[in-house]
Amino acid sequence: EADIYQTPRYLVIGTGKKITLECSQTMGHDKMYWYQQDPGMELHLIHYSYGVNSTEKGDLSSESTVSRIRTEHFPLTLESARPSHTSQYLCASSEKPRWSGGMNEQFFGPGTRLTVL
Amino acid sequence: QKEVEQNSGPLSVPEGAIASLNCTYSDRGSQSFFWYRQYSGKSPELIMFIYSNGDKEDGRFTAQLNKASQYVSLLIRDSQPSDSATYLCAVNLSGNTGKLIFGQGTTLQVKP
Repeated sequence: EADIYQTPRYLVIGTGKKITLECSQTMGHDKMYWYQQDPGMELHLIHYSYGVNSTEKGDLSSESTVSRIRTEHFPLTLESARPSHTSQYLCASSEKPRWSGGMNEQFFGPGTRLTVL
Repeated sequence: QKEVEQNSGPLSVPEGAIASLNCTYSDRGSQSFFWYRQYSGKSPELIMFIYSNGDKEDGRFTAQLNKASQYVSLLIRDSQPSDSATYLCAVNLSGNTGKLIFGQGTTLQVKP
């Protein structure tokens, strides 16, 4: 079973507040990801990291930022939350591919459901 | 055309039947394929992965990959009401080994 954790699980906050969503994994995975998913909708990649001090923006534009100072930790920050940020945020991790050109499976955390009033 | 396409469903099957879920992808060079199950309000959980053409079986689940036709499918035998969920197909596109592209998912309903 994957050991990837997200806190908080649920967050209701007012507009304009700064928030940080935490994600940690204990598997030593190099790669970590943040996805955004609205109810009944597709997963959209918003940020990813291939290792410490490596972060990239994903396919969906997001006003959030991320950092990767430690292998196990990949927090996501919103400087000023808005109602349009209301969504579920899912963190995932994977280890290095078994062969060049391949990719290993991603393991997902339980998610953070964010509501911005 | 989306890079990974699935029929959103819902696909409804009676309990005990075989459920067949299909996924097509656009990049002929893709090498890694994954099926995830997502219950409502929960995060995706990995069911199976497949890298080579042909079938791969794990319990009641069989993944099938046909790279020439660019499709991957998931068969669920002896479907149970607990299998009712959204099934996500994910593909690692060639030249992009760090990321998975997810389909929109197929909702499966297994009726008792």
